Amino acid sequence: SAVISQKPSRDICQRGTSLTIQCQVDSQVTMMFWYRQQPGQSLTLIATANQGSEATYESGFVIDKFPISRPNLTFSTLTVSNMSPEDSSIYLCSVDPRGLAGIHEQFFGPGTRLTVL
Amino acid sequence: AQKVTQAQTEISVVEKEDVTLDCVYETRDTTYYLFWYKQPPSGELVFLIRRNSFDEQNEISGRYSWNFQKSTSSFNFTITASQVVDSAVYFCALSENQYNFNKFYFGSGTKLNVKP
Repeated sequence: SAVISQKPSRDICQRGTSLTIQCQVDSQVTMMFWYRQQPGQSLTLIATANQGSEATYESGFVIDKFPISRPNLTFSTLTVSNMSPEDSSIYLCSVDPRGLAGIHEQFFGPGTRLTVL
Repeated sequence: AQKVTQAQTEISVVEKEDVTLDCVYETRDTTYYLFWYKQPPSGELVFLIRRNSFDEQNEISGRYSWNFQKSTSSFNFTITASQVVDSAVYFCALSENQYNFNKFYFGSGTKLNVKP
């Protein structure tokens, strides 16, 4: 398994500002993922982040709004830029430590609960 | 079309009742994985079970059991003798290999309320 921590755990922000969320894993992993969970909704994949390459964004998500960094195999950040109240969500990072071996599993961080006023 | 459908939005039961959460999935892959996660009010996702597409054996873990039927593309989850601590949102998920990573598709979730 993998232990994942996220910072901050929650934040309240003003519209128009940006927030950077950090995700730290206790082991080296190739694939990291960022999800958004809007209130009362399911999880939606924002992007996949590989170390050493640009993040791959899902339909409906763009780099200008959600820039992602992946400087090494244990760390990633997601920035929510120019926030609006519609960005109020839980943002979760996850890792798939054995994906390249054909074993599907995904471990999730505790989430960052963002409220935009 | 939804890859994973959880038709039950919310279920309320009284403690000690049995409850089954339904999950129907759609995939063209022959190799895939199915999952159940629990999300209590605190928000973290708790992994409950993973099944691969080649293993249709039902599984029991304490009060939890899972029924995987490929013929109906279903992966249902039953909680026996429910308890108040079981109150949470439960997500069913499907994982398929997509190019160089395994992509997860989550259902919309079923909120389970267990009343004392």
